Amino acid sequence: KQEVTQIPAALSVPEGENLVLNCSFTDSAIYNLQWFRQDPGKGLTSLLLIQSSQREQTSGRLNASLDKSSGRSTLYIAASQPGDSATYLCAVDSWGKLQFGAGTQVVVTP
Amino acid sequence: NAGVTQTPKFQVLKTGQSMTLQCAQDMNHEYMSWYRQDPGMGLRLIHYSVGAGITDQGEVPNGYNVSRSTTEDFPLRLLSAAPSQTSVYFCASRKGQSYEQYFGPGTRLTVT
Repeated sequence: KQEVTQIPAALSVPEGENLVLNCSFTDSAIYNLQWFRQDPGKGLTSLLLIQSSQREQTSGRLNASLDKSSGRSTLYIAASQPGDSATYLCAVDSWGKLQFGAGTQVVVTP
Repeated sequence: NAGVTQTPKFQVLKTGQSMTLQCAQDMNHEYMSWYRQDPGMGLRLIHYSVGAGITDQGEVPNGYNVSRSTTEDFPLRLLSAAPSQTSVYFCASRKGQSYEQYFGPGTRLTVT
């Protein structure tokens, strides 16, 4: 059974610092991996989708890497801002079903 | 496009009552899914569908029924509500397996 882990569970950084969020998964036979952002009391917003054949995806200040062989993905957020405060979740698509990590709660202090 | 819509936003049920959570999408997506989100448990898949007329169970299907008669709608039925079903329920859709998933705003359900 696929298991997805996100460490750390919570992270606090000063504004301007780069954020590094980790996601690991136990079964490397994945179809793709997606990173989401969730604000308190809201639904999930898609940030980046990486297909299994890709090594990374970029969108603005966000960059996500994927290493299937080691079962890891990393989300980098450059020059963090207070508006980046949220919970970030990764989800792995195995056999058509998304398996989610528990998320990393990020606070960016001004 | 309205995206993925869910109704109601909030609901309180008594134990044993039944109800249907509504989910609709206007993006012509084939794949639709229902999740529940509980503190410390993350999101767990309840049921999913890869097209009209096709549904399958996820990780936590007991106590829930689904059907998919149209591409647009994917209702989730609680047959006999239990306090353990108190949760936030999210509906999601995507065009296909290679595409990103979009989520609705959620339904907060309390069962007393």
